[in-house]
Amino acid sequence: DAGVTQSPTHLIKTRGQQVTLRCSPKSGHDTVSWYQQALGQGPQFIFQYYEEEERQRGNFPDRFSGHQFPNYSSELNVNALLLGDSALYLCASRQEGGTEAFFGQGTRLTVV
Amino acid sequence: GENVGLHLPTLSVQEGDNSIINCAYSNSASDYFIWYKQESGKGPQFIIDIRSNMDKRQGQRVTVLLNKTVKHLSLQIAATQPGDSAVYFCAENRQAGTALIFGKGTTLSVSS
Repeated sequence: DAGVTQSPTHLIKTRGQQVTLRCSPKSGHDTVSWYQQALGQGPQFIFQYYEEEERQRGNFPDRFSGHQFPNYSSELNVNALLLGDSALYLCASRQEGGTEAFFGQGTRLTVV
Repeated sequence: GENVGLHLPTLSVQEGDNSIINCAYSNSASDYFIWYKQESGKGPQFIIDIRSNMDKRQGQRVTVLLNKTVKHLSLQIAATQPGDSAVYFCAENRQAGTALIFGKGTTLSVSS
């Protein structure tokens, strides 16, 4: 079992650009959540997807959007990147009805 | 992540000592609490969880205590090892399966 996998591992983008991050959940998991972790801080919830729909959203602007595919994998899209979007983006998956969330290693996004 | 916080940003212990990491939460309606360990360059790793109807839960070398009266959560690590060096986060889940709310973390350093 590969666990939660994220790609790419590192990414550098220019301010104003758009970025797409990808996540494959742990086998058997159908619920995917995304978190943003700034340096030295705890992860902040962005949104959660289940059955290809956004089910819960944190306090993030509309520049942050996502998608879940029929195979449960997910994408996080960020438009009009700001320097403050530089962070580690984490994907977590779990089984619907389960409580334990498994995290991927994250994508380190740097906006210059 | 302002509702779940930690008392100390750093904790230094000697190998073999017992470590206690503390966390305060503000929402008495929270149902589920989790401790995560995050090593450098990795995503958070589940350590142990506890539901609000419990006061104590034990795992392998770890114990979580929940004091609902003062809204306090602690993680005890027995016989701390150098491999335990990491950042530890407590997280709050107001309803199982919904967004995790993380605190800022405590960096545990274990010296030999």
